[in-house]
Formats: sequence, structure tokens, C-alpha cells
Amino acid sequence: EVQLVQSGAEVKKPGESLRISCKGSGYSFTSYWISWVRQMPGKGLEWMGRIDPSDSYTNYSPSFQGHVTISADKSISTAYLQWSSLKASDTAMYYCARHSAFDIWGQGTMVTVSS
Amino acid sequence: QSVLTQPPSASGTPGQRVTISCSGSSSNIGSNTVNWYQQLPGTAPKLLIYSNNQRPSGVPDRFSGSKSGTSASLAISGLQSEDEADYYCAAWDDSLNGRAVFGGGTKLTVL
Repeated sequence: EVQLVQSGAEVKKPGESLRISCKGSGYSFTSYWISWVRQMPGKGLEWMGRIDPSDSYTNYSPSFQGHVTISADKSISTAYLQWSSLKASDTAMYYCARHSAFDIWGQGTMVTVSS
Repeated sequence: QSVLTQPPSASGTPGQRVTISCSGSSSNIGSNTVNWYQQLPGTAPKLLIYSNNQRPSGVPDRFSGSKSGTSASLAISGLQSEDEADYYCAAWDDSLNGRAVFGGGTKLTVL
């Protein structure tokens, strides 16, 4: 079965760092880009950026450039989304999705940032 | 403010046909294909339509998509209660080194 499995929910304080993961299985992980999508509580979907797992080339939405880092480790078929300094406004559900049509989605990782 | 424009809400009674519109520009819908996603409450989005009008296996043929110029639409015929969900359109945008853009979402209520 083709699937993306994300890491579990996180509760963090403002200023802390965080890395969440997205592990692909059932397909050739390096053959498809992976994107990250944010959904703030009660809001719509926002594309954050993408990575080519074969060479780790990335591009970001201007809205998220400089605030998050997307990376991948192809040896373990896993993509990552990372923050160096979280803000309360980062509280959201984060999804990874497989290109090109976002045909496969992870189950989501809820990140809560609160003092 | 989403790059693609959808109506915030739509509704219909069981058995009816409803359509949801998605408006964009020449840099996104006008030059790339459109995908549609269904998000049931508390779940991840699911691909409903890709490449403007193609259904992934397992998606009922009650769902159909179309595109014309810089607009697209999703049609749902024979509306069922389980279709009550949020629906999002998306396309690739050729500006700013390329990015995916979404509509703001349409909440479909089955009356």
C-alpha cells in the first residue's frame, strides 16, 4: 500500500525548535516530490514548499521562505519540516503530500505552540 | 487571501446536482491543470479530481471536473449526505519559481 506516515502531535513553547517527519512506503520515494501543506485551525490549505527527495532540491512559498526548512533523507524514505524558533502563529495541522497531483497525503501532524 | 477564488459555501438536497467554481489567472489555471480535493471533518484531504477532469480509481462517477480558460468547476450529481465536506481546488502557479496554489475552500452542506 502506498502511504505517507507522519510523526505524532507536538506541543511546544514559543522559541523552541521542532522537526516533524513524513515517511513514504509502498513506492519509489525518490521518484516523487513531496510537498508540505499547512492548515491553521478552521482555515484552508496553504502550500509551504516542496522537496525532490532524489537530490534534496527545494523551493518554498514566499510566505514560508526563511521561517521553515524542508529536508529529506532518501536512505530512510523520509521528508522533514523543521522550525528553528517556533511562534504561537505556527499552531496548525501540517500535512505532507506526494506530487504531482498530491494524490497521497499523510495523516497530518498537529503542532501546538503555547507558553 | 487565497490565489484561487472559491465560494465559501454551497448546499443542496439529496439527489440534487451542485457545482463549485474555482477562479484563477493566466499563471495558474490558465496554463496548468486543476486538481480538486475533498476534506471530510477531522481527516486529511483526499484527491477527488486530477488533470481537470480525471477521477482516481475509487472515486464515484458522480464527481466530475471541467476547466475553461482561467476557471474550473467541480460538479457533484446525485448528492448524498456523505458528500458533506470541504472542497478545495488547486493548481500549479508559474510565478515566483513555481508554487502550488489552493482555493480558500467551499463547505458543502447537504440539507
